[in-house]
Amino acid sequence: GAVVSQHPSRVICKSGTSVKIECRSLDFQATTMFWYRQFPKQSLMLMATSNEGSKATYEQGVEKDKFLINHASLTLSTLTVTSAHPEDSSFYICSAREGTGRHTEAFFGQGTRLTVV
Amino acid sequence: AQSVSQHNHHVILSEAASLELGCNYSYGGTVNLFWYVQYPGQHLQLLLKYFSGDPLVKGIKGFEAEFIKSKFSFNLRKPSVQWSDTAEYFCAVAGSARQLTFGSGTQLTVLP
Repeated sequence: GAVVSQHPSRVICKSGTSVKIECRSLDFQATTMFWYRQFPKQSLMLMATSNEGSKATYEQGVEKDKFLINHASLTLSTLTVTSAHPEDSSFYICSAREGTGRHTEAFFGQGTRLTVV
Repeated sequence: AQSVSQHNHHVILSEAASLELGCNYSYGGTVNLFWYVQYPGQHLQLLLKYFSGDPLVKGIKGFEAEFIKSKFSFNLRKPSVQWSDTAEYFCAVAGSARQLTFGSGTQLTVLP
């Protein structure tokens, strides 16, 4: 299947700083990318959906000014956690779809473990 | 809005036992259904998917799932599990918006 690469896989940052997470589709053009957050022993919660060249659509309860999403090209989306706090510590996962058709599969990155100290 | 319910949070089986993981969904329209697996330290991988047609779907590694529309269910099955099947399994549904909604996951532990 197609490959989605997420970087970094693990990051520790100080409270108040910002962290950028990259999500790249390596062998296909991702029309749509999704960002999820996974808490320990819980499911993936969709944070936002981004389409290349347009603003991201955020799920209810997700602060768009805190979680900045940029999808500037068909192979790259970034999630920036601004002014991070310990409660932002979590596992963040991106996924990417090549098209918008009903049968289009989503491929997942390996996730980023963010720890805010 | 769509939702997914996985009833078993943690399942422990011995090798060669049969497996069935429950998944029920709630959505009023046409859905696409998925099962994903997350092995320890690895990213989510697609096990199988249902879009239309034969409600019995066969996936990788000997897994299969049956879509029962009247029960809004998409249970995952495997006749004989192996130690290497130890992982977390997620059921997911995609409605008209194409975005995936995941169940809470089921941790499967297979004892050698």
